[in-house]
Amino acid sequence: NAGVTQTPKFRILKIGQSMTLQCTQDMNHNYMYWYRQDPGMGLKLIYYSVGAGITDKGEVPNGYNVSRSTTEDFPLRLELAAPSQTSVYFCASKAGGADTQYFGPGTRLTVL
Amino acid sequence: QKEVEQDPGPLSVPEGAIVSLNCTYSNSAFQYFMWYRQYSRKGPELLMYTYSSGNKEDGRFTAQVDKSSKYISLFIRDSQPSDSATYLCAMSDPGGGNKLTFGTGTQLKVEL
Repeated sequence: NAGVTQTPKFRILKIGQSMTLQCTQDMNHNYMYWYRQDPGMGLKLIYYSVGAGITDKGEVPNGYNVSRSTTEDFPLRLELAAPSQTSVYFCASKAGGADTQYFGPGTRLTVL
Repeated sequence: QKEVEQDPGPLSVPEGAIVSLNCTYSNSAFQYFMWYRQYSRKGPELLMYTYSSGNKEDGRFTAQVDKSSKYISLFIRDSQPSDSATYLCAMSDPGGGNKLTFGTGTQLKVEL
């Protein structure tokens, strides 16, 4: 059971470049989440989804986009990378009716 | 005022010590409380979950919730070097759109 997987593990982008962070879960969870974690700042919610075809903004959505075409996948898109998006990005999922979220290993992104 | 306050540490203790980690919160709608453990360069993993005031014990770990004071704690008995990690409190409310609000995390180091 792989749980929540994220790719890539590391990435360096130049300012203005775009990229997609991939997230896949094999637990058939309806709910999926994207967070960013900056040093000393805890986890900030970027976007979340309550099921395929449904997404909503979290606390810090600016500069990001998401889509949810399947239950398993929840990619996060950065269109015009900025240094302020240097962070560690975590994807998480949970089952409907539950409160506990399961996290992936993270993607460490640097924008130079 | 942040919804969830957590002392960032770092906290350094000798092996075998009892550790107390704490969070306070301001939103009285929070009903579910979690502690996540995050090792360096890894994703958070769920450690303890509780939804009622009082204590919940799991091995060397005890989660305590005091809803009247809006205060939660995690106690670690007989701390081990393998407990060295960042501990994040998280909480949710039934009407919160299935979202978690995290503390900023407390960094713990258990020394030999």
